[in-house]
Amino acid sequence: DAMVIQNPRYQVTQFGKPVTLSCSQTLNHNVMYWYQQKSSQAPKLLFHYYDKDFNNEADTPDNFQSRRPNTSFCFLDIRSPGLGDAAMYLCATLLGGRTDTQYFGPGTRLTVL
Amino acid sequence: AQSVTQLGSHVSVSEGALVLLRCNYSSSVPPYLFWYVQYPNQGLQLLLKYTSAATLVKGINGFEAEFKKSETSFHLTKPSAHMSDAAEYFCAVASGGYQKVTFGTGTKLQVIP
Repeated sequence: DAMVIQNPRYQVTQFGKPVTLSCSQTLNHNVMYWYQQKSSQAPKLLFHYYDKDFNNEADTPDNFQSRRPNTSFCFLDIRSPGLGDAAMYLCATLLGGRTDTQYFGPGTRLTVL
Repeated sequence: AQSVTQLGSHVSVSEGALVLLRCNYSSSVPPYLFWYVQYPNQGLQLLLKYTSAATLVKGINGFEAEFKKSETSFHLTKPSAHMSDAAEYFCAVASGGYQKVTFGTGTKLQVIP
């Protein structure tokens, strides 16, 4: 059974049109992460939540925002997508300990036209 | 700041040959190290992790890695490559009170029949 679910798997949006990516988890983990992975690059952490506490990476553009309405769901909002935002977006969860395992979803591939 | 360096963005091996993927880390404190595998258009899956217990870590799919403090290395090995091992492999280091993972740039493994 899927534990970290991302919808949709593929998303196409237009330049400047807001888009929301969704992540849900059945693990009841405390931490949820959003990563951006561009083609042939390493995943880059955008932000994460520990429960309701939001932690933004210093170099994450203001164009990217996130919401976590409850334990199970986390959303990535891109307010005005640019061509450079085309990437795979990965959601991951962690129970909470430093040595715990991060579980990744399958990712959403975003195309910006 | 903690970081990892993966030597070789592409590695090719023959089916049945030894797989060796190299990773060196930089850390001011004892690191927690990970190897992840990513198949095309999928999320990341944990292969193994080092959390300061045994220096030789065994993972899934026959992979193992050895933590060598003197060499600041955490190379990934598998005695005999299978076609199904063709994927991208990421070395990663965790920092922070709970996992903020920094990934290496990845190594694409090609297995030649």
